[in-house]
Amino acid sequence: GQNIDQPTEMTATEGAIVQINCTYQTSGFNGLFWYQQHAGEAPTFLSYNVLDGLEEKGRFSSFLSRSKGYSYLLLKELQMKDSASYLCAVGKTYNAGNNRKLIWGLGTSLAVNP
Amino acid sequence: GAGVSQSPRYKVAKRGQDVALRCDPISGHVSLFWYQQALGQGPEFLTYFQNEAQLDKSGLPSDRFFAERPEGSVSTLKIQRTQQEDSAVYLCASSLLFGGGRSNEQFFGPGTRLTVL
Repeated sequence: GQNIDQPTEMTATEGAIVQINCTYQTSGFNGLFWYQQHAGEAPTFLSYNVLDGLEEKGRFSSFLSRSKGYSYLLLKELQMKDSASYLCAVGKTYNAGNNRKLIWGLGTSLAVNP
Repeated sequence: GAGVSQSPRYKVAKRGQDVALRCDPISGHVSLFWYQQALGQGPEFLTYFQNEAQLDKSGLPSDRFFAERPEGSVSTLKIQRTQQEDSAVYLCASSLLFGGGRSNEQFFGPGTRLTVL
């Protein structure tokens, strides 16, 4: 089967660092995405990992360990505007490689307080 | 266009009414996905197309749901005889290529918020 787990809610303070974890189980793994979604808006792309290790992009970094089925999103120097839902999505290849899609976690709602 | 567009943005339907939701993907994007998102949840996969071919419709919750993409660009999600449990945001996303890796990145439209009374 396939399963993606991430915490439901997190709270952090403006200026701090927060790490949002995601664990997954899936066959046909084909990369892992993090998306940000503000309330009432569509998800927007944050990061992509397909190889093990850390990908850094400004205040946001994402890490992947394929052997552990584990990823995290690291947000530094938190700002109030970072209050949003953060969605972990796993790329999956199936049907003998003919199909590809993303399997989505339920999202982590992050509240950044002053 | 510059991004994925969806219409209408909001739809209120009476129970039993049929509705049609439209998605215009980014020009040239091969893959198109439909999702249903309930409040506070992640997107739930409904169906996807590669060009005009519907390759996976396993997420459609019932035979009242039907999607098409006849010319490989614009897609329509149709819900017949709507019920209250159909109330949700319906998101459309497109991706550039039918390939692996970063080409799987999906670009989302603003969604259609459907409320069934």
